Amino acid sequence: QVQLVESGGGVVQPGRSLSLSCAASGFAFHTYPMHWVRQAPGKGLEWVAFMSYDREEEYYADYVKGRFTISRDNAKLYLQMNGLRAEDTAVYYCARECTGGVCYTGVDYHTLDVWGQGTTVIVSS
Amino acid sequence: QSALTQPASVSGSPGQSITISCTGTSSDIGGYNFVSWHQQHPGKAPKLLIYDVSLRPSGVSDRFSGSKSGNTASLTISGLQAEDEADYYCSSFRSTSRYVFGTGTKVTVL
Repeated sequence: QVQLVESGGGVVQPGRSLSLSCAASGFAFHTYPMHWVRQAPGKGLEWVAFMSYDREEEYYADYVKGRFTISRDNAKLYLQMNGLRAEDTAVYYCARECTGGVCYTGVDYHTLDVWGQGTTVIVSS
Repeated sequence: QSALTQPASVSGSPGQSITISCTGTSSDIGGYNFVSWHQQHPGKAPKLLIYDVSLRPSGVSDRFSGSKSGNTASLTISGLQAEDEADYYCSSFRSTSRYVFGTGTKVTVL
C-alpha cells in the first residue's frame, strides 16, 4: 500500500545537526512533489519545506531557511537540519503532494494526501 | 510567515452541524482555489478531508464539505458524530512561500 516512513529523529543539543529520512513505498515516488511538515508538542501543524519531483524547485519556511536543506533521491526524501534550536523540537512528517486520486507529473496540486507517521526531534542540552 | 486564522475550538452535539472558518489573505485563500482541510486525532498523522476548496478524496464521508468566500474558507461537518472529535487544520497554497497551515481548531462533541 502507499506508505511513507520517517526515520532519523532523536535528541540533539542546540546548535548541532540532524538528518531525517523518509522512505516511500507503494507508489512512484520519483514522480511526486514532497513536503516536510512539523508539529511542536501541543501545537499545530507547521509547513517546513517543499521539493519538486525533479529537484528543480525547493522552498522553505522563513523559520528554517538557511538552516535546513531538503533533498531527495529516487526512493527517499531527506531533511538536513543544521544549527538546531529548542524551537525546532517537534514531530516531523513527510507528506506527498497529490489529491488522493490520479495526479500527473509536473502538475501542481498543492494538497498533501499521504503522510508518514512522523519522527520526533528533541533539541535540548 | 503568519498562519491562517482558525477558531481555537468549536463544539456541537451529536447530529448537529458545525462550521470551522479559516481566514487568510489574497496571497493565499483569496487568490487561489487550493484550500485543503485535514483531520488529526491525538497521536496520529493528519488525514486529508477536503482539497481544492470543496472536493473530497475517495473514502471521505460526505458529511464533510468545504467552501470559500473571499479570503475565508469554511469546513462544515454535518450530522456530527463522536468520532469527529479531533483537531482540524486548513491549509493553502501561498504565493509568497508555497504553503501555509491554519492555526488549528479543536472540535468537541458534547
